[in-house]
Order: sequence, then structure tokens, then C-alpha cells
Amino acid sequence: GENVEQHPSTLSVQEGDSAVIKCTYSDSASNYFPWYKQELGKRPQLIIDIRSNVGEKKDQRIAVTLNKTAKHFSLHITETQPEDSAVYFCAASRAGGSYIPTFGRGTSLIVHP
Amino acid sequence: NAGVTQTPKFRVLKTGQSMTLLCAQDMNHEYMYWYRQDPGMGLRLIHYSVGEGTTAKGEVPDGYNVSRLKKQNFLLGLESAAPSQTSVYFCASQRGSKNIQYFGAGTRLSVL
Repeated sequence: GENVEQHPSTLSVQEGDSAVIKCTYSDSASNYFPWYKQELGKRPQLIIDIRSNVGEKKDQRIAVTLNKTAKHFSLHITETQPEDSAVYFCAASRAGGSYIPTFGRGTSLIVHP
Repeated sequence: NAGVTQTPKFRVLKTGQSMTLLCAQDMNHEYMYWYRQDPGMGLRLIHYSVGEGTTAKGEVPDGYNVSRLKKQNFLLGLESAAPSQTSVYFCASQRGSKNIQYFGAGTRLSVL
């Protein structure tokens, strides 16, 4: 089955800095890679996703890049703000059909004012 | 449109007691999931369902049972609760052809 490794487990940055979270996956058939943000005491919510037919996707201050050859994808947050502090989860799955997404263990991002 | 609703939000059980967690979604999604979340362990899949009347085991199914008698509901049962089942439980639903998971607000369960 699929195995997703996520690093780092904790990331501490100063407000305004950039943050990068990396995930690697094992199943070359995976073709859908979502990222979820979970604020303290809240539910995980999708913030951005990417499919394997593109290499990069941006949405304001967040972006995701995908390297299919190396089987890794990354979340980039620029100009971090205190409200970006949360746990971020990556996941990998196959789009369509019967499949189960596999989650990484999460990264706790702390943005210091 | 409420999305995914979990009940109860909090519960304290004694070892050996039983309980059922209810997940309801109003988005007509085919797929539903139960996860548990423990510190440092991320989201671990307990059981899932790809449609009404079907269920399957996930990564950590022992000590739990599930049922999906109606498309909109997915029940998670603990027959004999153990302290190791103290956790936060999340339900999620997903449209079959799309891949975004929508999560419920979670149930915080303590087993003493």
C-alpha cells in the first residue's frame, strides 16, 4: 500500500518568513495530493490540492509543488502570519475509483509574531 | 447545509462500557471514513465505507465496529471501551469522483 512520509514534524518561523513542508510517497500510481490545515481544536480542512498532471499550483500565499519522478510534493507558505499557525497534513491517493487516501503524520507550524 | 455532523462532541466512559458515535452527512457523498487522532500520530484510519451497506477495515480497526445502513449515516461502535481508545475521533465524507474530504468537528472520548 501507499506510504506517506512528512517532514518536519515541527516547524518554527518568524512572522514574514517562508515555510516549507515536504512529503514523499511510495505508490507511483498516486495522482492526487491534497493538503489539509487543522487549527487547534478544529477539524482538518482542505487548503490546496494538486493533481499529477501539473507541477505547481498557487493560491495567494500558498503553493504546492509536485515532482512525480522523485515522488515528493511540498507545501510552500510565503509571508507567514500568526494565523498560519496550525498542523498541516499532506495526503496521497488515486483520483477516481475505489481508493483510500493515505495521510502523513502532520507538521506543527508555529509562526512567532 | 450542515456538511458533516458528529455526535456527541465529548464523552467520558468507564473501561468496559460501550457507546456509538454517529456521523451524518447531507452532501450525498458515497465515501465515509472514521479516523482517530492521537498526539504525534496524525490521522489513522479505523474503518471506511464506499457506499451504503458496505464497510471495510482501515489501519487500526481492532476494538471498533461500524455500520452504514443509510447512505448519509456512518456509525462507529465501541463494544468494550479500553483506556487505549482515549482519543479524538473524526468522521469524514467524500464524493466518489472527487477527492476532497470533508471532516466533522470531532468527538473527544476519554476512557477511564
